[in-house]
Amino acid sequence: GIQVEQSPPDLILQEGANSTLRCNFSDSVNNLQWFHQNPWGQLINLFYIPSGTKQNGRLSATTVATERYSLLYISSSQTTDSGVYFCAVRGRDGNKLVFGAGTILRVKS
Amino acid sequence: DGGITQSPKYLFRKEGQNVTLSCEQNLNHDAMYWYRQDPGQGLRLIYYSQIVNDFQKGDIAEGYSVSREKKESFPLTVTSAQKNPTAFYLCASSIDFRLAGVLDTQYFGPGTRLTVL
Repeated sequence: GIQVEQSPPDLILQEGANSTLRCNFSDSVNNLQWFHQNPWGQLINLFYIPSGTKQNGRLSATTVATERYSLLYISSSQTTDSGVYFCAVRGRDGNKLVFGAGTILRVKS
Repeated sequence: DGGITQSPKYLFRKEGQNVTLSCEQNLNHDAMYWYRQDPGQGLRLIYYSQIVNDFQKGDIAEGYSVSREKKESFPLTVTSAQKNPTAFYLCASSIDFRLAGVLDTQYFGPGTRLTVL
């Protein structure tokens, strides 16, 4: 089945810094989502982005489907950005979302 | 308020007991999903349902059972056959996963933390 790798596994930032999280996937996809899991466990949708670029406030995401990767950019990070960021994909022949292992982000004040 | 609710938030179970986790949605979504999350790991699919009275096994269905008698409800039973049930359980829904595009976006409930004593 499709494989998803996220990097880095762990990231510590000072408040106000920018960061880039990466998601590599092993096959063509028709669904790619980025999620933020807060410290209480709730998963929040950030982007539905199987291709192209989207922006929402301080967050933006780009998926280059032909090269099988997606990037999540966080600018001017805040302590509330802390948590785990997951990338999840569905392959063109698949019937389920496959999650990466996540990137743990800690933003220090 | 539209959304997905899960109950209880915390659940403690003795070994050998079956327990049922509740998941309800009022988003009018056709598809619903159950995931398991272990510490430091991503989510793994237990079961999913595309439509009422139909459900399919995911990657780790052994020791679990589900039902889908109503569109808005998808309860998960963790049976005594599940060898290591202590985990965080997340329920999700989407409009219809058979459709491509943004209609396939999954939305998650707040989760249930199950601990086996």
